[in-house]
Amino acid sequence: DIQMTQSPSSLSASVGDRVTITCRASQGITNSLAWYQQIPGKAPRFLLYAASRLESGVPSRFSGSGSGTYFTLTISSLQPEDFASYYCQQYYSIPRTFGQGTKVEIK
Amino acid sequence: EVQLVESGGGLVQPGGSLRLSCAASGFTFSNYWMSWVRQAPGKGLEWVANIKQDGNEKYYVDSVKGRFTISRDNAKSSLYLQMNSLRAEDTAVYYCARTRGSYYFDSWGQGTLVTVSS
Repeated sequence: DIQMTQSPSSLSASVGDRVTITCRASQGITNSLAWYQQIPGKAPRFLLYAASRLESGVPSRFSGSGSGTYFTLTISSLQPEDFASYYCQQYYSIPRTFGQGTKVEIK
Repeated sequence: EVQLVESGGGLVQPGGSLRLSCAASGFTFSNYWMSWVRQAPGKGLEWVANIKQDGNEKYYVDSVKGRFTISRDNAKSSLYLQMNSLRAEDTAVYYCARTRGSYYFDSWGQGTLVTVSS
């Protein structure tokens, strides 16, 4: 199974900050990576696919990059509604696997 | 608007069974792979199973193989998860998710809680 490791596990930031979350795969997955946002008590929300493609309706302050084993999710200017947990997920192989999550908290 | 509504969760004893359902609307259900993803209390997301549009391909995470069965009824726009031989570690919120290709999950239900405990 491909293991996905996110860092950091949590971070504190302020509104307007630029935030970057890292996701590493235990083996190469080309660009077969998606990102999700989850607000506590809610279902996950799909943000990006193919490592860098923004889903329709997702604000452009979200961006993704990477290929192979190293990926990043960047929020260019953190907004109050962005305080949540973020998960990466590989779809290169079965079983589909997620990172352990990164919690973005208010500083 | 895509809507996915799960039902069937509850409290069950270890070794028991439960059947989850997911009612889909707002899209052509028969055109999509569908999946179940779970989240244990306070933990991260775990993919459980997925099923092809016609139901002829199904995949499972190792921890549920032989115990869980995913199925669908395209005429009813419904997805199911039959869970047998339940264990404490199956306790989680179970989400139904529309799946693009067989790859990632672009719409999610609100989830249904399954608690396995004596």
